[in-house]
Amino acid sequence: GIQVEQSPPDLILQEGANSTLRCNFSDSVNNLQWFHQNPWGQLINLFYIPSGTKQNGRLSATTVATERYSLLYISSSQTTDSGVYFCAVVDSSYKLIFGSGTRLLVRP
Amino acid sequence: GAVVSQHPSWVICKSGTSVKIECRSLDFQATTMFWYRQFPKQSLMLMATSNEGSKATYEQGVEKDKFLINHASLTLSTLTVTSAHPEDSSFYICSASRSGRGYGYTFGSGTRLTVV
Repeated sequence: GIQVEQSPPDLILQEGANSTLRCNFSDSVNNLQWFHQNPWGQLINLFYIPSGTKQNGRLSATTVATERYSLLYISSSQTTDSGVYFCAVVDSSYKLIFGSGTRLLVRP
Repeated sequence: GAVVSQHPSWVICKSGTSVKIECRSLDFQATTMFWYRQFPKQSLMLMATSNEGSKATYEQGVEKDKFLINHASLTLSTLTVTSAHPEDSSFYICSASRSGRGYGYTFGSGTRLTVV
């Protein structure tokens, strides 16, 4: 099956710093999503982004489907950005397969 | 729109008993529902895919007889953990798809199961 790898696995930032999270996938996909999982386990959808670039406030994402990777940018990080960020891809069977996640801690 | 309700939020049960978890799409009809399991500090692992009115499709390594999935209507899917053991303790999350075609995946808030 399709493999989804994320890097870095862990990231510690000072409040106000910028960061880039990466997601690599091993095969072509029907869609790609970025999620933020809060400390209570709730998954918050950030972006549907099978290709191209999207922005939402301090967050933006870029997917280069031909090269099988996606990037999530977080600018001017805040403590509330802490949590785990997952990318997930929709495979050929329309299943949503999750990456390994990046655990982010933003310190005040 | 696109709200998925999952209950209970947490449950503690004794070894050997069964636990049922419900997943409801509140404002849309879900063609397909998915069940995931997440162990502490790990990713979400897909357990099974269910389509309304048909048998669930289980991922490799997931015991069909232990994790019973029923998708009786377009708004309700249930996961029953039968004869639960401590190693079944985990965070279970459902997802519902309006289209089943690669977009519109909405997640429930998850159920934390502890088997003692």
